[in-house]
Amino acid sequence: AQTVTQSQPEMSVQEAETVTLSCTYDTSENNYYLFWYKQPPSRQMILVIRQEAYKQQNATENRFSVNFQKAAKSFSLKISDSQLGDTAMYFCAFMKQGGAQKLVFGQGTRLTINP
Amino acid sequence: DTGVSQDPRHKITKRGQNVTFRCDPISEHNRLYWYRQTLGQGPEFLTYFQNEAQLEKSRLLSDRFSAERPKGSFSTLEIQRTEQGDSAMYLCASSLSLVDTEAFFGQGTRLTVV
Repeated sequence: AQTVTQSQPEMSVQEAETVTLSCTYDTSENNYYLFWYKQPPSRQMILVIRQEAYKQQNATENRFSVNFQKAAKSFSLKISDSQLGDTAMYFCAFMKQGGAQKLVFGQGTRLTINP
Repeated sequence: DTGVSQDPRHKITKRGQNVTFRCDPISEHNRLYWYRQTLGQGPEFLTYFQNEAQLEKSRLLSDRFSAERPKGSFSTLEIQRTEQGDSAMYLCASSLSLVDTEAFFGQGTRLTVV
């Protein structure tokens, strides 16, 4: 079975700063996807960024980028130039390729961006 | 299409009562998932459907829980004889059964059992 661990329950930074959220996972699968989801106070989960395990290049979406270390089973999220609207719960998630495509989530990191 | 919608948004029920939640996925999505999220935790997979067929159920889904997707469109999740431990956010997500696909989530139904 796969497990996802987020070791930072809460983080807080000032607006415009850069923040990095950590995630480690455990799996014996070779083909999988990794995701970061954002869950704002309204509670709807939104996809922030995804990474295919077979790709060596780290994914980037505007101010969001990941550092994917496959051998170390590490998948961190970097938010640059943080904005007040980035305040939310962030979940790291794993999905095995094929089959049910169900997501395995970490415990989440509550990120607060202060003005 | 405005995305995945769930109804109700909030439900308070007394212990022992039955409750039913509804999820309307994005119309062209053939896969539908139910997750449960307890306070301070990440969502946990409960079950999923491809079209009207329920293809996998988690061991978290006790026999008091039943889910249906009768015509491959909306889905219902029923909890019978609710217990306080059932208090959680119940999230629905939908996707296409393609290799490279994204799951879209609804806003969830928050259940409180008193």
